[in-house]
Amino acid sequence: AQSVAQPEDQVNVAEGNPLTVKCTYSVSGNPYLFWYVQYPNRGLQFLLKYITGDNLVKGSYGFEAEFNKSQTSFHLKKPSALVSDSALYFCAVRAPSNTGKLIFGQGTTLQVKP
Amino acid sequence: SQTIHQWPATLVQPVGSPLSLECTVEGTSNPNLYWYRQAAGRGLQLLFYSVGIGQISSEVPQNLSASRPQDRQFILSSKKLLLSDSGFYLCASARFGVDTEAFFGQGTRLTVV
Repeated sequence: AQSVAQPEDQVNVAEGNPLTVKCTYSVSGNPYLFWYVQYPNRGLQFLLKYITGDNLVKGSYGFEAEFNKSQTSFHLKKPSALVSDSALYFCAVRAPSNTGKLIFGQGTTLQVKP
Repeated sequence: SQTIHQWPATLVQPVGSPLSLECTVEGTSNPNLYWYRQAAGRGLQLLFYSVGIGQISSEVPQNLSASRPQDRQFILSSKKLLLSDSGFYLCASARFGVDTEAFFGQGTRLTVV
């Protein structure tokens, strides 16, 4: 069965510092992995994805994520956090089949303080 | 890219009343469609997904049902709402093999009173 774990309910960083939001997954076969961001009372916005190829993927707003197959992880990173990055972040996984079942983690609140 | 339309944005319904939330998709054809519920601003629970017209997979036994009468239309329904049905409902669309990522609507905030 597919599952995603985001071990931290909240991550606090100071503006200008690097940030990491953790994600581990479980899926049969090679995973498709995604990060989304959600602002209050809004839908989810796509940030980046890993499908195949280079383990380091770059996405929107300066975010990047590293796929680590041996650790089954896909951590979200940014070299220098902005106050405007404060939001709820979701990791998601899908098995590469056409059943299309897309499973999300519980979300991590990122708080960036000035 | 795809555009997902959800309405209404906000809904307050009494316990025992029926529910119908509609989601329509523009900019693609034959997408996979999803209904998620988000409680208290936290995780997304997958309720239903559909890979084609009339094909519905239910993930969680509950008071809700879903239908897909047209390729780009996905409806979430209930005959009698419960207090526990309150939450933020999100519709998503994904054309796997083309876009790979899912696109989300802006959500419906349902409060059952």
